[in-house]
Amino acid sequence: AQKITQTQPGMFVQEKEAVTLDCTYDTSDQSYGLFWYKQPSSGEMIFLIYQGSYDEQNATEGRYSLNFQKARKSANLVISASQLGDSAMYFCAMREGPGGSNYKLTFGKGTLLTVNP
Amino acid sequence: GAGVSQSPRYKVAKRGQDVALRCDPISGHVSLFWYQQALGQGPEFLTYFQNEAQLDKSGLPSDRFFAERPEGSVSTLKIQRTQQEDSAVYLCASSLDLVEDTQYFGPGTRLTVL
Repeated sequence: AQKITQTQPGMFVQEKEAVTLDCTYDTSDQSYGLFWYKQPSSGEMIFLIYQGSYDEQNATEGRYSLNFQKARKSANLVISASQLGDSAMYFCAMREGPGGSNYKLTFGKGTLLTVNP
Repeated sequence: GAGVSQSPRYKVAKRGQDVALRCDPISGHVSLFWYQQALGQGPEFLTYFQNEAQLDKSGLPSDRFFAERPEGSVSTLKIQRTQQEDSAVYLCASSLDLVEDTQYFGPGTRLTVL
């Protein structure tokens, strides 16, 4: 079974609108971390946002927020006020176990976001 | 400050050739990771270093793959006798330590084996 599932191969959004990118995960660990990365066509993976499994509040970083629903095992990325520069591939990733005990990131297959002017 | 850098950015090799891919992590970062990203897929873990010690190489696909980080900073991923299935983007990432474990990635090396 896949540990990270991103069900949207591609998404389109109008500039200045908000968009939600879906991510569900599968783990039996109680302590884990969830990450979102952006990969533009240049290839570099850019860290966007992190959510720890014990964090009670949803993580936010500027225009990015993470809608964390632990019982549903979902960690959706919300981008507000989309910009043309947001067009890129977006990856959800998970680190199982508490920080310091495990280090491998498991990635989903990604969602290609296109922002239309 | 400077991020993770990788060189070369692009590498074309003939099948059977050896290649070496270089990674310069963020200064002071203890942990270094290599991932392989096939076309249209997410990155997959290859190996992990803490300083100069290679603590996990479970993701290396075959014994043709070898990684080193002799002085605990720069790392080299070497692939011997390259095969077409080795064609991929090889990403390097570093993190400050295991507790502060956000991994910061370099731009990758795109390897094409003909």
